[in-house]
Amino acid sequence: KQEVTQIPAALSVPEGENLVLNCSFTDSAIYNLQWFRQDPGKGLTSLLLIQSSQREQTSGRLNASLDKSSGRSTLYIAASQPGDSATYLCAVRLAGNMLTFGGGTRLMVKP
Amino acid sequence: EAGVAQSPRYKIIEKRQSVAFWCNPISGHATLYWYQQILGQGPKLLIQFQNNGVVDDSQLPKDRFSAERLKGVDSTLKIQPAKLEDSAVYLCASSPYRGASGNNEQFFGPGTRLTVL
Repeated sequence: KQEVTQIPAALSVPEGENLVLNCSFTDSAIYNLQWFRQDPGKGLTSLLLIQSSQREQTSGRLNASLDKSSGRSTLYIAASQPGDSATYLCAVRLAGNMLTFGGGTRLMVKP
Repeated sequence: EAGVAQSPRYKIIEKRQSVAFWCNPISGHATLYWYQQILGQGPKLLIQFQNNGVVDDSQLPKDRFSAERLKGVDSTLKIQPAKLEDSAVYLCASSPYRGASGNNEQFFGPGTRLTVL
């Protein structure tokens, strides 16, 4: 059974810092890995999707990497802003389109 | 392009009552998913539909939860009777189907927050 773990569970940083969120998964037979953002009371917004054959994806200040063999992904956020405050979830896709989510990292960026 | 729509956004009921949630996926998306997200946790898949057929309902508590997608478009999720531990956000998502190894990215609705008292 696939298990996805995110560390840390919560993170508070001052504005402007670069930060790294970690995601690990137990079964490397994944199709892709996706990072989502969730604001309080809202649904999930997809940030980046990395196919199993890719090593990284970039969008603006966000960079996600994937090391499938070691079962790890990182989300790098450059020059953090208060508007980045949210919960960040990673999810791996298995056969049949099923997504297995981690527990999330709650990020607070203080002005 | 309109996103995934869900209603109601909030619902408060007492235990042992019944409740139903509605989801309208993105037009043309063949696959529809219902997830349960308990506070402080990641979403957990309850059921997955491909058109109007069930693909995976292995984590659906079938003694009290039911879901249908009669015409392969809209879907409803029902809980009867509700328990305190059903308090959660229920998320609906949809995706196109481009084969088993295709990019079947899921798009999520805003969710329905259920509180069971």
